Amino acid sequence: GAGVSQSPSNKVTEKGKDVELRCDPISGHTALYWYRQSLGQGLEFLIYFQGNSAPDKSGLPSDRFSAERTGGSVSTLTIQRTQQEDSAVYLCASSLAPGNTIYFGEGSWLTVV
Amino acid sequence: AQSVTQPDIHITVSEGASLELRCNYSYGATPYLFWYVQSPGQGLQLLLKYFSGDTLVQGIKGFEAEFKRSQSSFNLRKPSVHWSDAAEYFCAVFMDSSYKLIFGSGTRLLVRP
Repeated sequence: GAGVSQSPSNKVTEKGKDVELRCDPISGHTALYWYRQSLGQGLEFLIYFQGNSAPDKSGLPSDRFSAERTGGSVSTLTIQRTQQEDSAVYLCASSLAPGNTIYFGEGSWLTVV
Repeated sequence: AQSVTQPDIHITVSEGASLELRCNYSYGATPYLFWYVQSPGQGLQLLLKYFSGDTLVQGIKGFEAEFKRSQSSFNLRKPSVHWSDAAEYFCAVFMDSSYKLIFGSGTRLLVRP
């Protein structure tokens, strides 16, 4: 596609439910990132995928958070047993290769009620 | 530890006035530096980047930034601000040791008519 595509754009869920957020990176981009942006805050790194290498999960805030990337393309970020503090915009980004320009999607706005 | 500092949380300028947004970074190696802009409800759009070479880089929408190694700074400038420039601006450094993009906390720009 022309840009990084994320879905859903908005999600309201009840506390305790699981949610899945999807990211479709720019075609051919080998690097994929997930970031979290809480209201009025900066961007917090969550996880990084590069090709077939093991992902860098060092930014995941708890074991309720996980992500996978299938076939080196689409990625899914899963949050289990959501909490109110998980409410944020989850941004996905991709780049052609490490060190190249990183392009962001428009984000998935998650609200936990 | 690697970090990016944007010392100004908010800046207000009059339309037509010049603008400078400050960014300082802490990174031992040669940095790859970026400025992104985020309009309300939107994702991040890349304004400009510095990888190497000429320390004054030009970006989109009339923005430019200057890399000053001696000051560990990468300040964003625009000679004449337009009302449509009102947004949040993020400075970021790419760490080639871990392939992470580390963001500053952002500066919100308000433009007075």
